[in-house]
Amino acid sequence: AQSVTQLGSHVSVSEGALVLLRCNYSSSVPPYLFWYVQYPNQGLQLLLKYTTGATLVKGINGFEAEFKKSETSFHLTKPSAHMSDAAEYFCAVSENNNDMRFGAGTRLTVKP
Amino acid sequence: DTGVSQDPRHKITKRGQNVTFRCDPISEHNRLYWYRQTLGQGPEFLTYFQNEAQLEKSRLLSDRFSAERPKGSFSTLEIQRTEQGDSAMYLCASSQQMGAETQYFGPGTRLLVL
Repeated sequence: AQSVTQLGSHVSVSEGALVLLRCNYSSSVPPYLFWYVQYPNQGLQLLLKYTTGATLVKGINGFEAEFKKSETSFHLTKPSAHMSDAAEYFCAVSENNNDMRFGAGTRLTVKP
Repeated sequence: DTGVSQDPRHKITKRGQNVTFRCDPISEHNRLYWYRQTLGQGPEFLTYFQNEAQLEKSRLLSDRFSAERPKGSFSTLEIQRTEQGDSAMYLCASSQQMGAETQYFGPGTRLLVL
């Protein structure tokens, strides 16, 4: 069965600094990979997803992620953090697009 | 259509009571999913529907939980004889059927069992 590990439950960066949120997955078949963001008291919003093709995926709000099969990773990056990026970020994997397995989440704090 | 909606947004109940939550998906979406999210954790898959058919259920979905989607549109999730461990955010999502279609999430129903 598929699974996701997010390294670091809390990440803190300064405004304008690089954001790097780590995600490693386990899957027995070529996976679909997702990053979602959750703001307080709200549902999850899709940032980006990888299905097939280009391994560097660009998403909303300046985020991007790179699928590295050899490292079983799908890390999320943003060159310059903004205060509005402070939220909880979830990596997820799906093998069959029927159900997704989410990581435990990484809380991003952005310091002024 | 503005997205997935869930009702109620908050529910406080006493242990042993039954509760029912409703999810209205995006209108053209034929797949509907239920997840549970506890504090500090990611969402955990509970079950999903394709149209009115319930196609998969997680082992997390004990016999106290039942979900329906009678007309292939809205869905209800009922928890009978609630326990304190049922306290969580219950999230609903919907998607179209084909390929790796994005799941769009509702705002969730936060349940507190006293």
